[in-house]
Amino acid sequence: DAGVTQSPTHLIKTRGQQVTLRCSPISGHKSVSWYQQVLGQGPQFIFQYYEKEERGRGNFPDRFSARQFPNYSSELNVNALLLGDSALYLCASRYQALNQETQYFGPGTRLLVL
Amino acid sequence: AQSVSQHNHHVILSEAASLELGCNYSYGGTVNLFWYVQYPGQHLQLLLKYFSGDPLVKGIKGFEAEFIKSKFSFNLRKPSVQWSDTAEYFCAVNVIPGGGADGLTFGKGTHLIIQP
Repeated sequence: DAGVTQSPTHLIKTRGQQVTLRCSPISGHKSVSWYQQVLGQGPQFIFQYYEKEERGRGNFPDRFSARQFPNYSSELNVNALLLGDSALYLCASRYQALNQETQYFGPGTRLLVL
Repeated sequence: AQSVSQHNHHVILSEAASLELGCNYSYGGTVNLFWYVQYPGQHLQLLLKYFSGDPLVKGIKGFEAEFIKSKFSFNLRKPSVQWSDTAEYFCAVNVIPGGGADGLTFGKGTHLIIQP
């Protein structure tokens, strides 16, 4: 089975632009989460989607949005990019059974905002 | 909101040395606990996880972790490290119940360097 896939791998944008990042979860997983990892820090939770609905949101501004498609793939959109948005954006494929949940991470998209 | 604290930001060890990386979390309720590893140039990989039951859990590559509820700790251990264990290690917690609404909360990571 393929793991979590993300595209693109790298991206360079300028301030004020908009960016869309894509993610495909592990086959059979219906939930994805998005995280931002700034250099030298642990990942920070942005969004979680399950069955195409937003189920959780971290402490990020409204410039960040996401959606999940019927095939469970997901997009993360960031508008009006700031220099501080430069980071590794991680997508995680989430599997939950009762109260046990495991998240499997993709390789990430490295975004540089100039 | 819960938080995760990893005590050591940088650790340097020689091969065959024993390893223990500390992790404490702040939430007083039921949690799922994880250790992830990020090898140079690779993505985050799950090392091991704790849901319930035996507080000593074994993971891949000879790693294990012990959950001590009274200390809110989930320390990672390996009796004898190898050069290939050089990586960034992250402790993470997920609050239950929560339905994942808060996602995983990660510590800041420990950069482990193993000297040959």
